[in-house]
Amino acid sequence: DSGVTQTPKHLITATGQRVTLRCSPRSGDLSVYWYQQSLDQGLQFLIQYYNGEERAKGNILERFSAQQFPDLHSELNLSSLELGDSALYFCASSVGPSSPDEQYFGPGTRLTVT
Amino acid sequence: AQTVTQSQPEMSVQEAETVTLSCTYDTSESDYYLFWYKQPPSRQMILVIRQEAYKQQNATENRFSVNFQKAAKSFSLKISDSQLGDAAMYFCAYRSGGASGAGSYQLTFGKGTKLSVIP
Repeated sequence: DSGVTQTPKHLITATGQRVTLRCSPRSGDLSVYWYQQSLDQGLQFLIQYYNGEERAKGNILERFSAQQFPDLHSELNLSSLELGDSALYFCASSVGPSSPDEQYFGPGTRLTVT
Repeated sequence: AQTVTQSQPEMSVQEAETVTLSCTYDTSESDYYLFWYKQPPSRQMILVIRQEAYKQQNATENRFSVNFQKAAKSFSLKISDSQLGDAAMYFCAYRSGGASGAGSYQLTFGKGTKLSVIP
């Protein structure tokens, strides 16, 4: 158990819908990273927050957004869902921007868009 | 942009034997970190080992060790005395050292190597 929690574990929804994925980092960690794992794209970085502020963006679609709240939990919002958004979404947390800043992953949310 | 290449999509090893998984990367940075993550069938991503680029000594964690060749940009993982529980996808990952000051340490992953352990 990494100490990072993600809810829900599984999510099945229809095209065009909107969903919210939730992540709670390990105690003491200030950074939250979101990654997407799909068969065709592999593991890709989406976005990072540090202590409530957006720090970096990766290959995140405009239909996707995220935020980190004062209690440091983070939510990833996916809207206007398409079949291709079906993937495993991971949240990872770390202490913050200092080396080595190892990232610990949550169990993931499996999103299926039908 | 950095890239990470794992050229072995699948590998197998006999139980109790040793196996080496390959990883190469491309970067113009001098300060960076390399990681190996394990993803068993449960899909959980588990950190296996870390290597700092500034360290010449290869990292070791119990049965797991790396062969880090900085000039060749190679970072292989050796698993000794392989166990059934080692069967998983293994991902090599690169992380900038952050010298740019951006403060973001996102990981760039390879495509992974699926390791099977034969009893």
